[in-house]
Amino acid sequence: GENVEQHPSTLSVQEGDSAVIKCTYSDSASNYFPWYKQELGKGPQLIIDIRSNVGEKKDQRIAVTLNKTAKHFSLHITETQPEDSAVYFCAAIVNTGGFKTIFGAGTRLFVKA
Amino acid sequence: NAGVTQTPKFQVLKTGQSMTLQCAQDMNHNSMYWYRQDPGMGLRLIYYSASEGTTDKGEVPNGYNVSRLNKREFSLRLESAAPSQTSVYFCASTISLGADGYTFGSGTRLTVV
Repeated sequence: GENVEQHPSTLSVQEGDSAVIKCTYSDSASNYFPWYKQELGKGPQLIIDIRSNVGEKKDQRIAVTLNKTAKHFSLHITETQPEDSAVYFCAAIVNTGGFKTIFGAGTRLFVKA
Repeated sequence: NAGVTQTPKFQVLKTGQSMTLQCAQDMNHNSMYWYRQDPGMGLRLIYYSASEGTTDKGEVPNGYNVSRLNKREFSLRLESAAPSQTSVYFCASTISLGADGYTFGSGTRLTVV
């Protein structure tokens, strides 16, 4: 069935380094790819998204890239800070002829000061 | 601007008891969703409502019912709680179905003993 694979499950980086989280999706009809950050005890929060007609999007220290041919997309965080420590989820959404959204399993990011 | 408000934040039920989880949004969003989050399982869609007056099953609807009371409110009911329903429940909303990122509530942590 349809799924979204997310890697790695855990990522530890030194403050100031970059972090990259990768997701692969199976449904070629997916057309919207959001990323969420979830801090302990809170609900997920949308941090950046990308649509299928765009290859890259940036917002300050975070960026997302999309490769439709390979069906994968990635989150890039530069100059990481301790407050970036959280669980990050990717998702792939299909909204053509029916609604379907699938989340990745999440990546726990630790930023060491 | 409260966003998405969920009540209660915590609840302990005995097996077989019933309860309703409440959710309200003040962003004039048309679509609302209920997810459950379990360790190792990620976020799974229980039910959603594309617009006021409509509801549809998601990935894991068994054991749950929903009511879209009006445009603002979308409740989730457990008629006869089971230990397998122990989870963290999140309500979310979007301007329209699957077209943009979710705004999540802060969650309800439910334990069924």
